[in-house]
Amino acid sequence: TQLLEQSPQFLSIQEGENLTVYCNSSSVFSSLQWYRQEPGEGPVLLVTVVTGGEVKKLKRLTFQFGDARKDSSLHITAAQPGDTGLYLCAGVSNTGKLIFGQGTTLQVKP
Amino acid sequence: NAGVMQNPRHLVRRRGQEARLRCSPMKGHSHVYWYRQLPEEGLKFMVYLQKENIIDESGMPKERFSAEFPKEGPSILRIQQVVRGDSAAYFCASSARTALNQPQHFGDGTRLSIL
Repeated sequence: TQLLEQSPQFLSIQEGENLTVYCNSSSVFSSLQWYRQEPGEGPVLLVTVVTGGEVKKLKRLTFQFGDARKDSSLHITAAQPGDTGLYLCAGVSNTGKLIFGQGTTLQVKP
Repeated sequence: NAGVMQNPRHLVRRRGQEARLRCSPMKGHSHVYWYRQLPEEGLKFMVYLQKENIIDESGMPKERFSAEFPKEGPSILRIQQVVRGDSAAYFCASSARTALNQPQHFGDGTRLSIL
């Protein structure tokens, strides 16, 4: 069974601080995706990482895929209140279904 | 809006009743995935369907739950004889084909509450 462990589960920080969210598995995934979900809405895809060691940047967000394709991280620089939300990592299984981590609820205080 | 449409957005049922959740995929998408989300948690895969076929139902409870995606019309997730533990948000996602890196587009979910 493929599992993804996401940490931390909750994070409350001040505006301007940096943070990192981790996603770890004992299994290899063909690719890994990061989503953001707002209350009352479905998850929205932020990025897909495919190659081991890959780094992708999306404005103040940096996503990294581990060399062995078992783990990933999301780093946010100078967090803003607008970054508040639920962040989810998801591994893409070999059948195409998504295996989600437990999610990280981020609160950025002004 | 040509996105994934789910209805109803909110559904209230009493214990023992049936719940039917509908999902219309994005135009041109023939692959549908259903996920369930409990409060403050990630999503759990339930079932993966293509038109008229169930491809992977490894996440579906063995009893009371069924899913279909007919040739015409939306995909339906059906829960018979609902219990309190079925209360959750149910999300549908669709994709254009099976390619592993093909993005799945999510609807805004159906919030099911069991009284």
